[in-house]
Amino acid sequence: RKEVEQDPGPFNVPEGATVAFNCTYSNSASQSFFWYRQDCRKEPKLLMSVYSSGNEDGRFTAQLNRASQYISLLIRDSKLSDSATYLCVSRGGGADGLTFGKGTHLIIQP
Amino acid sequence: EAGVTQFPSHSVIEKGQTVTLRCDPISGHDNLYWYRRVMGKEIKFLLHFVKESKQDESGMPNNRFLAERTGGTYSTLKVQPAELEDSGVYFCASSLSTGTAYEQYFGPGTRLTVT
Repeated sequence: RKEVEQDPGPFNVPEGATVAFNCTYSNSASQSFFWYRQDCRKEPKLLMSVYSSGNEDGRFTAQLNRASQYISLLIRDSKLSDSATYLCVSRGGGADGLTFGKGTHLIIQP
Repeated sequence: EAGVTQFPSHSVIEKGQTVTLRCDPISGHDNLYWYRRVMGKEIKFLLHFVKESKQDESGMPNNRFLAERTGGTYSTLKVQPAELEDSGVYFCASSLSTGTAYEQYFGPGTRLTVT
């Protein structure tokens, strides 16, 4: 079983729509959670950290449910530039490094 | 401020040869990490340096991989001898601290192809 599981997609979404991604994690000792964004053939870049209380950054809202071991990302008013792969990431509970999901591929269509 | 840099950007070598990848972290970042993504798989953690010390090398696949960070600045990752399954993208990341407010900044990666 993968430590962090995501639906790989692709999600094809019209510009302006709202889209939501989810991921689950198996290591209950994980302490921190993040969403990273990765463009084709580029490095991952931190989009936002995820907190149990939920947090928002502009059009992006992230939520963590520790009881269900579930993380979500909501993108409102999607833009063409939001097209990318979104990586669900955890940290802690073992190795020092980040634990990545395989990513969810999002395509925003004009 | 310069970001994390990696060299080379691409490397194509034959099975059995040796390759050395280099990573220069963001200046002042004591924490340096190596990751690898093989085709079709998720990015996986390899190891973590704090300054020149290996803090965690639990992700290193086998003893053909050797990472060093002499002087606590740049780091090298050597693969010797390379095997076909070593092909992938090797990312380096650095962070200022390992506290709750830390963020890992990734370099552009080295794409390694072993033929």
